[in-house]
Amino acid sequence: QKEVEQNSGPLSVPEGAIASLNCTYSDRGSQSFFWYRQYSGKSPELIMFIYSNGDKEDGRFTAQLNKASQYVSLLIRDSQPSDSATYLCAVFNAGGTSYGKLTFGQGTILTVHP
Amino acid sequence: DAGVTQSPTHLIKTRGQHVTLRCSPISGHKSVSWYQQVLGQGPQFIFQYYEKEERGRGNFPDRFSARQFPNYSSELNVNALLLGDSALYLCASSPVGTYNEQFFGPGTRLTVL
Repeated sequence: QKEVEQNSGPLSVPEGAIASLNCTYSDRGSQSFFWYRQYSGKSPELIMFIYSNGDKEDGRFTAQLNKASQYVSLLIRDSQPSDSATYLCAVFNAGGTSYGKLTFGQGTILTVHP
Repeated sequence: DAGVTQSPTHLIKTRGQHVTLRCSPISGHKSVSWYQQVLGQGPQFIFQYYEKEERGRGNFPDRFSARQFPNYSSELNVNALLLGDSALYLCASSPVGTYNEQFFGPGTRLTVL
């Protein structure tokens, strides 16, 4: 079992729709969870992070965390063509206070078509 | 504020050579991590340095080494390059006492021929 798994893509949605990206993780001790967006040929850009159960909203983005189910999701409302990118789910595991590593999923390619 | 910077942007090497990649973190960030991203996959953790000490190491061979300097910049060294080392090498910095957000630099694209 992979440590972090994302729903297989690619995912294609029409402009204005809701895009739903999902991620599961295997380590119950994981402490915080991140969504990165990566455009082709560029480095990952942090969109959101979440560390407690429930929903966290930031503009058109909502992150959802369910630690009991070891599940993280990202919803993108009113999807725009500029949202077309690879979305990476990452899980933080601490090696000590204030440091540790991110474990990434393989990414989900999202395409928003006009 | 300037973001994470990395140099060089692109690099072409041949098998058996060594390479040094450089990273400067965001001002005030004391932790630097290195990741390798092969095309079509998510980044893989290589090293983390905090306060100039190695705090974590991923599943990479001893050909990979790194260090952090007093100004918190960092170098990643790879010896005896293999074709499989071709990848995007990403440096990320993070502040202390937060939820461990890591901010990535633009990366160094390494091609091994």
